[in-house]
Amino acid sequence: GAVVSQHPSRVICKSGTSVKIECRSLDFQATTMFWYRQFPKQSLMLMATSNEGSKATYEQGVEKDKFLINHASLTLSTLTVTSAHPEDSSFYICSARPGQGRGQETQYFGPGTRLLVL
Amino acid sequence: QQQVKQSPQSLIVQKGGISIINCAYENTAFDYFPWYQQFPGKGPALLIAIRPDVSEKKEGRFTISFNKSAKQFSLHIMDSQPGDSATYFCAASMRVGNEKLTFGTGTRLTIIP
Repeated sequence: GAVVSQHPSRVICKSGTSVKIECRSLDFQATTMFWYRQFPKQSLMLMATSNEGSKATYEQGVEKDKFLINHASLTLSTLTVTSAHPEDSSFYICSARPGQGRGQETQYFGPGTRLLVL
Repeated sequence: QQQVKQSPQSLIVQKGGISIINCAYENTAFDYFPWYQQFPGKGPALLIAIRPDVSEKKEGRFTISFNKSAKQFSLHIMDSQPGDSATYFCAASMRVGNEKLTFGTGTRLTIIP
């Protein structure tokens, strides 16, 4: 149980285009989802926290107009990188937290999405 | 006060040996301490987690030791295997209220035959 999927797993795009990444909790309802960014050989950097039906809370230094987050349902959150540039190239990982029941405090991570902006 | 310090940065252990990774935190409000295992190109996977009401938790070859007074916790991997070679992250959060995980900097573990 507690499976989180991400789509796509890899994406290559041209500079200036927008890219949407989906995060789904497959076998539980996630009251909260998180989006992280990870550079090679570094730890995970939290970008934003999203709760279903409400606006995402962004971490300091993360541009909310650049990284649009939509948490439309209890099983789906999307991250859209708008007008992507080469410096946005990174590994983006989502996580989902059940929020109730056993393991409610646990964050379950998706497999990640490798974004390369040319 | 939100930091979680992790050491060592990298670790090489012989097959069959014990791998030990240490973490220290500052925020006494933290009450949930998970460890994650990450393979290259993959998302982190929950390995084991502990709450501060116990001093040790064991699951198979993996054990967390927790010292509340010292604000330290560690991961022990017994009988380490080449398949354990990965990056390990400790983390801390509050179960209620601030849900965010504060991650350590990671430890790259290599198990040699």
